[in-house]
Amino acid sequence: GQNIDQPTEMTATEGAIVQINCTYQTSGFNGLFWYQQHAGEAPTFLSYNVLDGLEEKGRFSSFLSRSKGYSYLLLKELQMKDSASYLCAVRDRDYKLSFGAGTTVTVRA
Amino acid sequence: IAGITQAPTSQILAAGRRMTLRCTQDMRHNAMYWYRQDLGLGLRLIHYSNTAGTTGKGEVPDGYSVSRANTDDFPLTLASAVPSQTSVYFCASSDGTATGELFFGEGSRLTVL
Repeated sequence: GQNIDQPTEMTATEGAIVQINCTYQTSGFNGLFWYQQHAGEAPTFLSYNVLDGLEEKGRFSSFLSRSKGYSYLLLKELQMKDSASYLCAVRDRDYKLSFGAGTTVTVRA
Repeated sequence: IAGITQAPTSQILAAGRRMTLRCTQDMRHNAMYWYRQDLGLGLRLIHYSNTAGTTGKGEVPDGYSVSRANTDDFPLTLASAVPSQTSVYFCASSDGTATGELFFGEGSRLTVL
């Protein structure tokens, strides 16, 4: 099974940087995903890490350390539209994805 | 537009009634999933199917059943609904490759009274 922990809420100012941490314990790691979910909508894919290191995709970057069971999602140059929930998810060897409870990010002007 | 279609979008149901949530995808993805999302608990996997003809249990399977007769359809059935099954249900699919992310439907909001 998977235990996935991430902060419940974070608040940041428009134009700033926010880092959302995720720690996990898993019986069979096979990749870590980050999803974005706006209120009342379906989750959408942001990033995928399977090897240690940083993956950069525009304003969003995701980092993984498998030995520490740790990942973070970095959001740069925050915009109001980035206000959403960010979901950390771990995939096991059966290709099942388990999600953390999500971090609600509020961007203030 | 290719994607995943869920129906109904929203439903109010009396306890004890049978209900089937429908899910259809046109991306020819092998893997399909049903999640429920509850406030403070995040998305929890109910059942999944890695390919047509096979299904498996997720984290919270009790009270739910699924079938996968073909690649496109993956219905979720509540045989006798209970109030604790009030939730938002998301169907998702994946091509099952190493980097294959999940594509989600728009969700079905179910209220059991």
